[in-house]
Amino acid sequence: GAVVSQHPSWVICKSGTSVKIECRSLDFQATTMFWYRQFPKQSLMLMATSNEGSKATYEQGVEKDKFLINHASLTLSTLTVTSAHPEDSSFYICSASRPGEGDYEQYFGPGTRLTVT
Amino acid sequence: GENVEQHPSTLSVQEGDSAVIKCTYSDSASNYFPWYKQELGKRPQLIIDIRSNVGEKKDQRIAVTLNKTAKHFSLHITETQPEDSAVYFCAGSDGAAGNKLTFGGGTRVLVKP
Repeated sequence: GAVVSQHPSWVICKSGTSVKIECRSLDFQATTMFWYRQFPKQSLMLMATSNEGSKATYEQGVEKDKFLINHASLTLSTLTVTSAHPEDSSFYICSASRPGEGDYEQYFGPGTRLTVT
Repeated sequence: GENVEQHPSTLSVQEGDSAVIKCTYSDSASNYFPWYKQELGKRPQLIIDIRSNVGEKKDQRIAVTLNKTAKHFSLHITETQPEDSAVYFCAGSDGAAGNKLTFGGGTRVLVKP
């Protein structure tokens, strides 16, 4: 159990366009989802915490108007990279947790590789 | 907020030897410490975790120790194998904000056959 999927697994887009990435918890209800960005040979950097039915909490330095997060249901969160630029090219990973069940673990999606040309 | 430091950043060991990775954390409220293994282009995979009410936990060739007083925890891999080659991340959480994790910088482990 506790499977998280992401779609798409990779995407190439032109500079100035927007890209939407979906994160789904397939077999559990995720009260909280997290979005990370990972540049080559670096650690996972938390971008924002997404709670179902409320506004996301962004980490310091992350532009909320550029990285739009929507958590419309307990199984789906989306990240939209607006007006993408080459410096936004990265590996984006989501994770989901279910803290209300006494479960401390975060369940990670497989990641989405974004390349902006 | 929490800050997690991880050392070393790279580690090369001979097959069969042990590997040790160390992490320190700053927030005394942190009570959950997972370790992840990440292969290139893949998702982080939880390999072991420890809660603050436990000092040591072992799972086959992998063990984690926690020193709450000194605020550090370590990953020990014994009898290393080439398939242990990957990047390993430690993390800490105080259980707040939906189990928000703070990650260490990662350790690239290379096991030489």
